[in-house]
Amino acid sequence: GENVEQHPSTLSVQEGDSAVIKCTYSDSASNYFPWYKQELGKRPQLIIDIRSNVGEKKDQRIAVTLNKTAKHFSLHITETQPEDSAVYFCAATSFLQGAQKLVFGQGTRLTINP
Amino acid sequence: NAGVMQNPRHLVRRRGQEARLRCSPVKGHSHVYWYRQLPEEGLKFMVYLQKENIIDESGMPKERFSAEFPKEGPSILRIQQVVRGDSAAYFCASSPLQGSPSPSEQYFGPGTRLTVT
Repeated sequence: GENVEQHPSTLSVQEGDSAVIKCTYSDSASNYFPWYKQELGKRPQLIIDIRSNVGEKKDQRIAVTLNKTAKHFSLHITETQPEDSAVYFCAATSFLQGAQKLVFGQGTRLTINP
Repeated sequence: NAGVMQNPRHLVRRRGQEARLRCSPVKGHSHVYWYRQLPEEGLKFMVYLQKENIIDESGMPKERFSAEFPKEGPSILRIQQVVRGDSAAYFCASSPLQGSPSPSEQYFGPGTRLTVT
């Protein structure tokens, strides 16, 4: 089955700087890669996703890149702000036999220092 | 435009009791997923259901756990004879009718935090 590894587990950056979180996956059939942001005690919130037919997607300060050959994808946050502080999870899945269970990484606790 | 609803938000059960967790998907969504999150850990898939059908229950323990998504009403995750190790946050997610070959987005509910004493 699919296995997703996420690094780093914790990340601390100065406000205004960029943050990068990286994930690798094992199943070459995976074709959908969402990123979720989870604040303490809250629900995971979908912030951006990418499908395997594109290599990069951007939404304001957030971007995701995908390298299918190397089986890794990354989240980039630019001009970080205190409200970006949260735990971020990457995930991978594929349309396999009608099921699309998300396999999550272990999470990255991002802290933005003012 | 209501999102995924879950209740109760917090549930305390003594060992050996039953826990029933409810999930109402986004209106129009026909696919429901349940995930479990242990403290300080990521989310683990448990079960995937469509109306009146369990599609994939490969992540759900074989004993004590069951799930359903009836034709009418919310999806229910049922845990019988709870033990301390069942203490976790249980999240439900829903997605619209999925289109092959690429999966659809999953939107999560606020979760039910189960504490077993």
